[in-house]
Amino acid sequence: DQQVKQNSPSLSVQEGRISILNCDYTNSMFDYFLWYKKYPAEGPTFLISISSIKDKNEDGRFTVFLNKSAKHLSLHIVPSQPGDSAVYFCAASASGNAGNMLTFGGGTRLMVKP
Amino acid sequence: DTGVSQDPRHKITKRGQNVTFRCDPISEHNRLYWYRQTLGQGPEFLTYFQNEAQLEKSRLLSDRFSAERPKGSFSTLEIQRTEQGDSAMYLCASSSADRQYFGPGTRLTVT
Repeated sequence: DQQVKQNSPSLSVQEGRISILNCDYTNSMFDYFLWYKKYPAEGPTFLISISSIKDKNEDGRFTVFLNKSAKHLSLHIVPSQPGDSAVYFCAASASGNAGNMLTFGGGTRLMVKP
Repeated sequence: DTGVSQDPRHKITKRGQNVTFRCDPISEHNRLYWYRQTLGQGPEFLTYFQNEAQLEKSRLLSDRFSAERPKGSFSTLEIQRTEQGDSAMYLCASSSADRQYFGPGTRLTVT
């Protein structure tokens, strides 16, 4: 039972264009969502998050959109840069869960071409 | 803030051997988590500590796995009688609120 899904295993984008990474979830108890970026041989690095009381959060080139009725969130990166090439994980937590443990999607590999 | 550190970074062991990994969290963080990541998958939750108390364990954590955080600071994860299916990246994370900070992981290969 995969509660968080990232249906696109990979995405290729030209430098300077927009990258859109998608994530779907099934558990309606999730109320906090995060995006992590992972380079090879490193642990995931926090990128941006959003609470379920919001539908948008922006931080520089990164914006996360949340559609609660569709149980869908997306990460927009604009403009995309070659250094953004990495694996991106969507994660979710429920405030009722002990310690706010994270449930991750399977990841999307983003490749930004110069 | 020196970040979360894990030791060793890589471990190769033969099936049936015991292994132990160490995690040093960010010093002021009272919450510590262990996750496991296999190839092509996202990290999966294993267990969680609030200070020295282990408060949650996933069903993924079989009886061969044990984790401790004796003084509420560093934590160890031991796997007894390793199996090939234990080969994975073991990630440690710490937090004081909603955001979890991850270490670089320990990659375990069981031959």
